[in-house]
Amino acid sequence: SQTIHQWPATLVQPVGSPLSLECTVEGTSNPNLYWYRQAAGRGLQLLFYSVGIGQISSEVPQNLSASRPQDRQFILSSKKLLLSDSGFYLCAWEVTGRTNEKLFFGSGTQLSVL
Amino acid sequence: GENVEQHPSTLSVQEGDSAVIKCTYSDSASNYFPWYKQELGKRPQLIIDIRSNVGEKKDQRIAVTLNKTAKHFSLHITETQPEDSAVYFCAASLFFGAGTRLAVHP
Repeated sequence: SQTIHQWPATLVQPVGSPLSLECTVEGTSNPNLYWYRQAAGRGLQLLFYSVGIGQISSEVPQNLSASRPQDRQFILSSKKLLLSDSGFYLCAWEVTGRTNEKLFFGSGTQLSVL
Repeated sequence: GENVEQHPSTLSVQEGDSAVIKCTYSDSASNYFPWYKQELGKRPQLIIDIRSNVGEKKDQRIAVTLNKTAKHFSLHITETQPEDSAVYFCAASLFFGAGTRLAVHP
């Protein structure tokens, strides 16, 4: 069966420090991968999606970047964190080659930038 | 891009009552409308979804309706139970509403 792993679960970082969040999927090939951010008490904002290795699309301009170095690995990064980067970050995958299918979410990373 | 509006932001009901959450979307090309439930500190999980070629779908106590002409869709939960308490999100494809915090009181 398919599983999605996301780490770390919580992270406290000072303003101006770098960030690297990692997500991996097991049990499927060539999934569509997504990064969402959920601010406190808010909805999920789509940040990035990827349909294949090295293919990244950004939904909103921001201080973050994403990379997909391997088929089932998706990384969210920042060179210098801002206070506004705080939030709950969720990685998700979707069945390969199909659009408009349900998303399976990772367990999330709670990021606090102080 | 797609814009999804969700109402109400909070909803409080007595156990056994029905709960209705409504969403509107802006992109008429959207054709997939999932609903997710998120318990405190946990990941969102799909509870029901509907595609644009269907007007209504039911799964036990949960039902979803879709009006493509008006670009709105709704979640209906009947005979609510305390364990239904959570935040519910609607989505149009990959774009989510702001969520509804549902509280079911015994």
